[in-house]
Amino acid sequence: QQQVKQSPQSLIVQKGGISIINCAYENTAFDYFPWYQQFPGKGPALLIAIRPDVSEKKEGRFTISFNKSAKQFSLHIMDSQPGDSATYFCAASKAASKLTFGTGTRLQVTL
Amino acid sequence: GAGVSQSPSNKVTEKGKDVELRCDPISGHTALYWYRQRLGQGLEFLIYFQGNSAPDKSGLPSDRFSAERTGESVSTLTIQRTQQEDSAVYLCASSLALYLRVDFGPGTRLTVL
Repeated sequence: QQQVKQSPQSLIVQKGGISIINCAYENTAFDYFPWYQQFPGKGPALLIAIRPDVSEKKEGRFTISFNKSAKQFSLHIMDSQPGDSATYFCAASKAASKLTFGTGTRLQVTL
Repeated sequence: GAGVSQSPSNKVTEKGKDVELRCDPISGHTALYWYRQRLGQGLEFLIYFQGNSAPDKSGLPSDRFSAERTGESVSTLTIQRTQQEDSAVYLCASSLALYLRVDFGPGTRLTVL
């Protein structure tokens, strides 16, 4: 049973554009929603995280938008750069004890 | 400071052999997690430790998989009688406490021939 659905599977964005990745969850007990960035051959690295008591969180060029009623959250990467090319995973957990991951989005930022 | 470290970085073994994968979490991190990542797929939860106890082992795929943690530090994931479907990257992660960031190690790439 896949509890976190992520889309799209892959994404190509021009340099300077906005990258948008979406996730939907099923378990209403989830209360922690992080996004991870993974480069080839490396472990995932925490990018940004949000809790359901806020609808948006911004850190630099990265923004999480959260819609509790729709059980959806998304990552927006503003002014996308070639260095942002990586695989992005959304995740969800209850009390951060056991992260349930989406299937990942491979982002390619072209020049 | 030092991050989560894992060893070996790569392990090639023959079907039926046992393997041990090691994780050294960030010093002071009480929570430790093991995940599995098959090629091109998302991360699959295996087991979670709080201190030396494992309150959640629900992700271990079979009784061939086991894990232990000692001294609230190093953890070992053991896979007995390896099968080809065990081939994956095994990732370890740790966190200082609940609701705080979870830091991942670089992983151990296991290949079962």
